[in-house]
Amino acid sequence: EAGVAQSPRYKIIEKRQSVAFWCNPISGHATLYWYQQILGQGPKLLIQFQNNGVVDDSQLPKDRFSAERLKGVDSTLKIQPAKLEDSAVYLCASSHSGRVSNEQFFGPGTRLTVL
Amino acid sequence: GQQVMQIPQYQHVQEGEDFTTYCNSSTTLSNIQWYKQRPGGHPVFLIQLVKSGEVKKQKRLTFQFGEAKKNSSLHITATQTTDVGTYFCAGPWNYGQNFVFGPGTRLSVLP
Repeated sequence: EAGVAQSPRYKIIEKRQSVAFWCNPISGHATLYWYQQILGQGPKLLIQFQNNGVVDDSQLPKDRFSAERLKGVDSTLKIQPAKLEDSAVYLCASSHSGRVSNEQFFGPGTRLTVL
Repeated sequence: GQQVMQIPQYQHVQEGEDFTTYCNSSTTLSNIQWYKQRPGGHPVFLIQLVKSGEVKKQKRLTFQFGEAKKNSSLHITATQTTDVGTYFCAGPWNYGQNFVFGPGTRLSVLP
């Protein structure tokens, strides 16, 4: 079974530029999560999708971050414009059902550096 | 608001010594999960605990959920260099509305 795929693996941009990340979850997983992990900290949930609907986006900075999951499969996370404090690893995870108690499978992440 | 703490923040042990990390919540949890993240890697699911007072074992790892379902622990017996990494507790805080990871405990094992 293929794991969660993410691209790109690394991205370097200057502040005020835009960036987009892509995630392809494990086939059949209805729930998809985007996390931001700053160096030395635990992952912070940005947004959770159940199929193509948003379950939780309470910690998503909506003035600059947006995410979508069209057709309930792949997802993209966008930052526009980026700030220095957005430098982090962006992790995508998926789980089999909508219950938060289910095991989450993580992708390798995208390491973003904002200069 | 809900607080989740993990102690210690860092732990350095000699190979063969035991290790324990504790996770504490200010509110009752419906369940708790533990993840391990190797340096440079991504979090990997270890286990989920659901019942009050539950104890589960995976080889040298023992996981426990407190009676009040407000705390949990992970104990590693006779650590090995392969145990190096950061251990996170995670769960549906805020009465299931938000999935939150703790700050983690970073384990170093000296050979």
